[in-house]
Amino acid sequence: QVQLVQSGAEVKRPGASVKVSCNVSGYTLTELAIYWVRQAPGKGLEWMGGYDPEDGDTTYEQKFQGRVTMTEDTSTDTAYLELSSLRSEDTAVYYCAADNLHSGSCFYWGQGTLVSVSS
Amino acid sequence: DIVMTQSPDSLAVSLGERATINCKSSQSVLYGSNNKNYLAWYQQKPGQPPKLLIYWASTRESGVPDRFSGSGSGTEFTLIISSLQAEDVAVYYCQQYYNSPFTFGPGTKVDIK
Repeated sequence: QVQLVQSGAEVKRPGASVKVSCNVSGYTLTELAIYWVRQAPGKGLEWMGGYDPEDGDTTYEQKFQGRVTMTEDTSTDTAYLELSSLRSEDTAVYYCAADNLHSGSCFYWGQGTLVSVSS
Repeated sequence: DIVMTQSPDSLAVSLGERATINCKSSQSVLYGSNNKNYLAWYQQKPGQPPKLLIYWASTRESGVPDRFSGSGSGTEFTLIISSLQAEDVAVYYCQQYYNSPFTFGPGTKVDIK
């Protein structure tokens, strides 16, 4: 069974950057596709992008291009999401999700990390 | 991008009754070479992360009660809760994973009547 444990809540000023971590257990990162999904307060789910080691591609939703970086440290089985030039609209819960079938669906989810952006 | 729509926005169903949620994609998510529909359904309860219920449009994830079923192909899909239980109160999302970005529908809120 895959478990995903994310880093704690963050409060950031507009223009700053945030880096959220997602530690995987039960599988190694090299066996999983990892996706990032966010949810603004009271809103729906928004897919941000992800990495699948099966095809070696990192894909970003176009609206985040230039501001988002998704990386992995396979030595610690930890995935990272970094989002820069934060604005108030980036206030959301950020989830990592894992796919062990490399299908694109999100079988396992982290608990979420609240990122608040406020001046 | 593939746009996902859901109907209704919300519904209230009596305990033990059937709940039906519809999802449409702006283009087909059926992959011809393997005849699989790249469509998933998730359940999200307040304060919790989403939970995968159904993938490949109709394959129930392990541990999901059999009162949940998914059907459809191409651009039109349905999630049915055959006998609504109190613990099924949640928001339900469909998601296509045929083409990146793997877009979600706007969600359908299910309540008890």
